[in-house]
Amino acid sequence: KNEVEQSPQNLTAQEGEFITINCSYSVGISALHWLQQHPGGGIVSLFMLSSGKKKHGRLIATINIQEKHSSLHITASHPRDSAVYICAVRPRGGSNYKLTFGKGTLLTVNP
Amino acid sequence: SQTIHQWPATLVQPVGSPLSLECTVEGTSNPNLYWYRQAAGRGLQLLFYSVGIGQISSEVPQNLSASRPQDRQFILSSKKLLLSDSGFYLCAFHRGVNTEAFFGQGTRLTVV
Repeated sequence: KNEVEQSPQNLTAQEGEFITINCSYSVGISALHWLQQHPGGGIVSLFMLSSGKKKHGRLIATINIQEKHSSLHITASHPRDSAVYICAVRPRGGSNYKLTFGKGTLLTVNP
Repeated sequence: SQTIHQWPATLVQPVGSPLSLECTVEGTSNPNLYWYRQAAGRGLQLLFYSVGIGQISSEVPQNLSASRPQDRQFILSSKKLLLSDSGFYLCAFHRGVNTEAFFGQGTRLTVV
């Protein structure tokens, strides 16, 4: 069974702090997604990774395939970064049509 | 550009009433379409997926059904809602296995 674990579950930071959210998974994957869910509920895709590192603005996502681990970093955090961040993986093989999701990390950035 | 529309945003329905949630996709053809549910305190759970018109696969047994009457339209339905059907429902699509996933704005369903 494919498990996706995120840590921490909740994270509170002060504006300007560097933030790291971690994601571990248990099976071989073909891709990993980092998603952002704002209080209104809609989900936005931030990154899709299969190896290495990607950067978009203040967001950086890394993945270590051998260790089955990914991190999402936010530099110079801002209150508008407050949201739930969700890690999702697409397994290799027969179940690769679907994503398995972590439970999310609730990030609150205070001014 | 590829976009996905889902409606309504919120819905309060009595137990035993029918349900119809609609999702449409623009800017792409032959997408893989998905319905997910997010219960309180839990991760997103896949309910249904479709790889083509009229092709529906169900992941979990439940009180819901799905239909895909057109290439870019995906509908989630129920004949009689249960209290346990309350939750946040998300429609999603992607073009292929290792491509970007796009999500709708979601529908918060409360069954009373």
